Amino acid sequence: GNSVTQMEGPVTLSEEAFLTINCTYTATGYPSLFWYVQYPGEGLQLLLKATKADDKGSNKGFEATYRKETTSFHLEKGSVQVSDSAVYFCALSALLSGGSYIPTFGRGTSLIVHP
Amino acid sequence: EPEVTQTPSHQVTQMGQEVILRCVPISNHLYFYWYRQILGQKVEFLVSFYNNEISEKSEIFDDQFSVERPDGSNFTLKIRSTKLEDSAMYFCASRYTTGSVTEAFFGQGTRLTVV
Repeated sequence: GNSVTQMEGPVTLSEEAFLTINCTYTATGYPSLFWYVQYPGEGLQLLLKATKADDKGSNKGFEATYRKETTSFHLEKGSVQVSDSAVYFCALSALLSGGSYIPTFGRGTSLIVHP
Repeated sequence: EPEVTQTPSHQVTQMGQEVILRCVPISNHLYFYWYRQILGQKVEFLVSFYNNEISEKSEIFDDQFSVERPDGSNFTLKIRSTKLEDSAMYFCASRYTTGSVTEAFFGQGTRLTVV
């Protein structure tokens, strides 16, 4: 079946450090890939997405490239801020046996950025 | 900006009681979902709903659970006889289409605590 594997957290960084959160996936067909972010006390917000191989999604300084050969969609940011502290979820949307597309999520990775 | 809204934000209930979690999806969306997130674990798919019927459900979604769209705007999740292990954050989501490229929009969640 479809699945998403994310690196374990928490990831703790100082402000302005470089961020990478690894994400790999298993899916049938050609999934679309997403990163969602959950700020404390809030719901899931779409951060960025990529819908085909070699696409790069980007938003708010974050980016991720859809790598079909390594089935990966790692999230990166060149210089994190305290306000980026949140839980980040990698997700995919792929065809299920029932004929519909259901978003499937990873466990989430908590990011803590210190001043 | 249109958003998915969920009520209540926090519900405490006694084991064995029935609870109804409410969601108002984005008005022109056609596909509706419930997910849950047990503390510290991944976001798990429960059920999807389209055209007034369930289109997919996970093995978590057993006879204790039901969903309904009682009018043109609300989408509810009912748990008939709650168990301690039902304690989780429950997220409602909606999408305009079901294609792989379309992201789901999530509400802020309802935290259910069963005591």
